[in-house]
Amino acid sequence: GESVGLHLPTLSVQEGDNSIINCAYSNSASDYFIWYKQESGKGPQFIIDIRSNMDKRQGQRVTVLLNKTVKHLSLQIAATQPGDSAVYFCAETSGANNLFFGTGTRLTVIP
Amino acid sequence: GAVVSQHPSRVICKSGTSVKIECRSLDFQATTMFWYRQFPKQSLMLMATSNEGSKATYEQGVEKDKFLINHASLTLSTLTVTSAHPEDSSFYICSIQGQNQPQHFGDGTRLSIL
Repeated sequence: GESVGLHLPTLSVQEGDNSIINCAYSNSASDYFIWYKQESGKGPQFIIDIRSNMDKRQGQRVTVLLNKTVKHLSLQIAATQPGDSAVYFCAETSGANNLFFGTGTRLTVIP
Repeated sequence: GAVVSQHPSRVICKSGTSVKIECRSLDFQATTMFWYRQFPKQSLMLMATSNEGSKATYEQGVEKDKFLINHASLTLSTLTVTSAHPEDSSFYICSIQGQNQPQHFGDGTRLSIL
């Protein structure tokens, strides 16, 4: 089946710095990618998404980059804040509605 | 505001008890809902796809007789863990997906079987 994984399981950043969370996927047919943020004891919260016909998409303080050549996805968070501390998951789908999640990266923001 | 409401948020019960978890779509009619399970420090694993008015589609390795899914209306899906045992203790999360929208998740149900 599809495989979505992350390079770094944990990431610690100083408050105010930029964070970059990476994700690798293996299904070349994947055409839709989503980043979710999960705080302790809660369900995943949608952050930003990107379709395979794009290579960059920006939101409020967040940017997602997609490199289909190497099947790599990244989430950039600008001016990281303590409230950004959470586990971040990338997820991908190939149009069948089923989402496949990566293993997650725990982001810790140091005040 | 919340798109998905999941209830209860926490359940602690004895082994052998059956537990029902509700997932409600608040903003739109959801013909399809999804049920996930998440063990500590692990990712979400899809258990089944709940289809309104028809049988759920279960992922490989998920026992359909153990995890009963009912999707009787366009805004409600229920997951019943039958005769739960300690190994069923987990975080159960539902999600909904509108047309051309990403999946939105409930806040999960922490199930602890003693």
